[in-house]
Amino acid sequence: AQTVTQSQPEMSVQEAETVTLSCTYDTSESDYYLFWYKQPPSRQMILVIRQEAYKQQNATENRFSVNFQKAAKSFSLKISDSQLGDAAMYFCAYRITTSGTYKYIFGTGTRLKVLA
Amino acid sequence: DAGVTQSPTHLIKTRGQHVTLRCSPISGHKSVSWYQQVLGQGPQFIFQYYEKEERGRGNFPDRFSARQFPNYSSELNVNALLLGDSALYLCASSLSALRANTEAFFGQGTRLTVV
Repeated sequence: AQTVTQSQPEMSVQEAETVTLSCTYDTSESDYYLFWYKQPPSRQMILVIRQEAYKQQNATENRFSVNFQKAAKSFSLKISDSQLGDAAMYFCAYRITTSGTYKYIFGTGTRLKVLA
Repeated sequence: DAGVTQSPTHLIKTRGQHVTLRCSPISGHKSVSWYQQVLGQGPQFIFQYYEKEERGRGNFPDRFSARQFPNYSSELNVNALLLGDSALYLCASSLSALRANTEAFFGQGTRLTVV
């Protein structure tokens, strides 16, 4: 089965603090990419960070970093120095290539609230 | 540079009607994908088009169809609308459908409400 599980429907973090969003996935594919997307009220999905499954080194983008555990099929997102603008829905997703094309499998999302 | 543009932004339709949603990809992008995002859920893959051909289809009924035009814009059509079709429909464009490291860029979506 191709699934992504985000077990935290909602998380809260104090401004300037650190928060970790959890994600697990299930795929039989060996070649795939993992993503975290942010969806603010404007509805547009914005790429936060991505990780190639064949790379062991965890991806980092400024205040955003991931903890990728391939064997455990776990892909958590850490946001450091949280800012009010980080408040949004966060979706974990992986992308697989099948039949010469690709598609994204998304989780159900985690709503992040940032408290001033 | 313009990003992925979708029209209309909001739409209200009656059950049984037909709807057409439109998407213009980023200039130079040849692949367009459509996703349905029901309230409280993550986006679900509907279609992918590349070079005007359907390259992938998700688990949606035949009431859903799409096409891609020579300028790479795309339409998503839904016939015989049901209340359950109410959702945010997202379009994503990318340079290619064939390269695994190709990044997709999403539009702001069309909010469809079926009453």
